[in-house]
Amino acid sequence: DQQVKQNSPSLSVQEGRISILNCDYTNSMFDYFLWYKKYPAEGPTFLISISSIKDKNEDGRFTVFLNKSAKHLSLHIVPSQPGDSAVYFCAASAKGRGSTLGRLYFGRGTQLTVWP
Amino acid sequence: DVKVTQSSRYLVKRTGEKVFLECVQDMDHENMFWYRQDPGLGLRLIYFSYDVKMKEKGDIPEGYSVSREKKERFSLILESASTNQTSMYLCASKGQTFTGELFFGEGSRLTVL
Repeated sequence: DQQVKQNSPSLSVQEGRISILNCDYTNSMFDYFLWYKKYPAEGPTFLISISSIKDKNEDGRFTVFLNKSAKHLSLHIVPSQPGDSAVYFCAASAKGRGSTLGRLYFGRGTQLTVWP
Repeated sequence: DVKVTQSSRYLVKRTGEKVFLECVQDMDHENMFWYRQDPGLGLRLIYFSYDVKMKEKGDIPEGYSVSREKKERFSLILESASTNQTSMYLCASKGQTFTGELFFGEGSRLTVL
């Protein structure tokens, strides 16, 4: 059963506009959340993260919002650029112990297409 | 600079062959992971290792095994490759904090004929 869900497999946005990618999770033990970006034929790269003690984290054009009560987070990209076209994965981790400490749980990804 | 290196970017194998995918990281990370990525299914965890000689099954371990004899190296083994193992395989490593970032290699595209 998926603990991290990205319910929109794709999103298409015009250049200059805002892109909003959504992510929901079911495990209330998750305390740290990350977004990764992946281009074809490359490994995913880290984009931005947020701890559960915050509700917002900003880095340039990228902002992540966390709503713990709704178990929902979103990634906002403003303004969107064609180079942002990629698959975006949401991930979460929990304060586990031992072998589970390092594990991330991923959503299935959202393909973002930014058109000129 | 942080580096996770996967030995082969592209491989073509035949059904029934034994396949080794090698991964090396230079960050002295305790945790290493093998994922496969398939369209519409996202990143699925095959196996992970939190220490030398330690391994744990992920979500889809069937048909795979792993080896971690040294801290920096984590190998994925397909004992008898099958066509449904055609996929992009991604190795990753991470330090021993739950807030740590996961670093990925560039991926190995395996085609099983």
